[in-house]
Amino acid sequence: SQQGEEDPQALSIQEGENATMNCSYKTSINNLQWYRQNSGRGLVHLILIRSNEREKHSGRLRVTLDTSKKSSSLLITASRAADTASYFCATELTQGGSEKLVFGKGTKLTVNP
Amino acid sequence: DGGITQSPKYLFRKEGQNVTLSCEQNLNHDAMYWYRQDPGQGLRLIYYSQIVNDFQKGDIAEGYSVSREKKESFPLTVTSAQKNPTAFYLCASSISGLVFASSYNEQFFGPGTRLTVL
Repeated sequence: SQQGEEDPQALSIQEGENATMNCSYKTSINNLQWYRQNSGRGLVHLILIRSNEREKHSGRLRVTLDTSKKSSSLLITASRAADTASYFCATELTQGGSEKLVFGKGTKLTVNP
Repeated sequence: DGGITQSPKYLFRKEGQNVTLSCEQNLNHDAMYWYRQDPGQGLRLIYYSQIVNDFQKGDIAEGYSVSREKKESFPLTVTSAQKNPTAFYLCASSISGLVFASSYNEQFFGPGTRLTVL
């Protein structure tokens, strides 16, 4: 897999259902971040989970990180039509004394009313 | 009203022309970044700057140039050497891009500039 690769590429669910997106990566990371992008807009940071954390919550978002499997998941509970967007995971690496974010290709989530 | 702005929102360029995309932030962030996004793809890093008067090449720097003369500004020039410049360009900033400040590396994004080569 590539560094920061999301699965599935696209997901369509009904309002009220839960949405789960997964991210796999290859190399050691400092942290892993999830971002959201509405169509044609910039990215918005959702949540950051550090390499020594296993689970983090923020409102209806739940993120898990399994460093042994080099994978993370983003769960959105009780989804709403307004959650329709693309979701990207970004792994933070250290290169040459600075941090670099490597983005995956994203999961396109559609929540049908 | 703090944030990061990009202009213009849409930009059209004829082949062989250089164009400059503007990025300004008033968040007092040290680090700034330029990404390119192609349809259905993730973001690829073009250039980044950790501090004023310093910048480094990212993964796809060929055909692009930047400057960082002021903390709040990080303009990107797309030169005629860039073979396929049509894309969505995103600028971002973070408090710091340095290892010792790894607690603060959430990136804040501008709204993007869509560049089309005619």
